[in-house]
Amino acid sequence: GAVVSQHPSRVICKSGTSVKIECRSLDFQATTMFWYRQFPKKSLMLMATSNEGSKATYEQGVEKDKFLINHASLTLSTLTVTSAHPEDSSFYICSASPVPGTNNDEQFFGPGTRLTVL
Amino acid sequence: GENVEQHPSTLSVQEGDSAVIKCTYSDSASNYFPWYKQELGKRPQLIIDIRSNVGEKKDQRIAVTLNKTAKHFSLHITETQPEDSAVYFCAASIRTDKLIFGTGTRLQVFP
Repeated sequence: GAVVSQHPSRVICKSGTSVKIECRSLDFQATTMFWYRQFPKKSLMLMATSNEGSKATYEQGVEKDKFLINHASLTLSTLTVTSAHPEDSSFYICSASPVPGTNNDEQFFGPGTRLTVL
Repeated sequence: GENVEQHPSTLSVQEGDSAVIKCTYSDSASNYFPWYKQELGKRPQLIIDIRSNVGEKKDQRIAVTLNKTAKHFSLHITETQPEDSAVYFCAASIRTDKLIFGTGTRLQVFP
């Protein structure tokens, strides 16, 4: 089956530092990857759509200069939380969508990254 | 943009009973409707999905129904077991486009 990995699984950082989270599709190519944020006891909120070789599309209210997304290859997307603050502490989850034409609508989720900003 | 509402927010049932969770969506262009089960600190796990060209789909104890006209879809779990206890999310999307999630339902199955 399709596997998506995320690294790191958890990270603790000091306020003001930057944190990079990697999302990899291990056994399929993903033209598109999605980044979600989930606060405790809340739903998954889409932050941005990451497109290979082009700029990410951010959802309303998500600061593109704070949450930098790079999708340099068909198997890797990165999310960098710049100048992190305690309110950025959350569970960040990526998902990957197979290359169009595979007749598969399912998105495959990474295991998530727990970010704690002190 | 798409908006997905989900009810109830919590649901408690006795083991062996059925559980039903309902969702409505706003964008008539949405054509893919997955349901996820999420345990604490884990990734969402796809349990069943349905596409807009189908009205009902069943997989053992789990079934999903879709009413395109009314723009709502429901998850039905029969013969519930304690291990079914988790948070369930519905979602809607247009094919492989972004998923918009419902607010979640915390299901508790008591032995």
